[in-house]
Amino acid sequence: GENVEQHPSTLSVQEGDSAVIKCTYSDSASNYFPWYKQELGKRPQLIIDIRSNVGEKKDQRIAVTLNKTAKHFSLHITETQPEDSAVYFCAASMNDYKLSFGAGTTVTVRA
Amino acid sequence: NAGVTQTPKFQVLKTGQSMTLQCAQDMNHEYMSWYRQDPGMGLRLIHYSVGAGITDQGEVPNGYNVSRSTTEDFPLRLLSAAPSQTSVYFCASRTAGRGETQYFGPGTRLLVL
Repeated sequence: GENVEQHPSTLSVQEGDSAVIKCTYSDSASNYFPWYKQELGKRPQLIIDIRSNVGEKKDQRIAVTLNKTAKHFSLHITETQPEDSAVYFCAASMNDYKLSFGAGTTVTVRA
Repeated sequence: NAGVTQTPKFQVLKTGQSMTLQCAQDMNHEYMSWYRQDPGMGLRLIHYSVGAGITDQGEVPNGYNVSRSTTEDFPLRLLSAAPSQTSVYFCASRTAGRGETQYFGPGTRLLVL
């Protein structure tokens, strides 16, 4: 099955700086790569996703890039704010509904 | 719309007991899934369903059963609870089709003693 590795496991950034989280996947058939944000005690919520026919996607302060050749994708958060503090999960899938998740990155934004 | 709902929010079981975690959605979504979340391991897929009457195993199905008799409901049954099943369980649903968002329920925290 698909194996997704996520780095780093923890990330501390100064407010206003950028944060980057990287994920690699093993199955070249995967074609859907969502990112979820989970605040403490809450449910995961989709923040952005990308498909294999697109190299980059941006939504305000967040962006995702995908390198299919190298089988890795990254989440970029610019101008970080305290409300960006959360656990972020990447995932990969061949069929949109059967997701394989990374282990998560705990992001702390220091004021 | 209530979205995806789960009951109970928290449950304590003794080893060997059985129970059913309930999941319901009112968005007429075809796809429903169960995940467990353990510290440092992300979310792992237990079972999923692509429609009423159709279920399949995910990454960690052992010790769990599911059924999908209606579009709205997707209960998860623990047959004989073990301490290794202590976890937070999330149900999720989405409609069929590319580009659709998967919505998660609020979760059920299960402690098996």
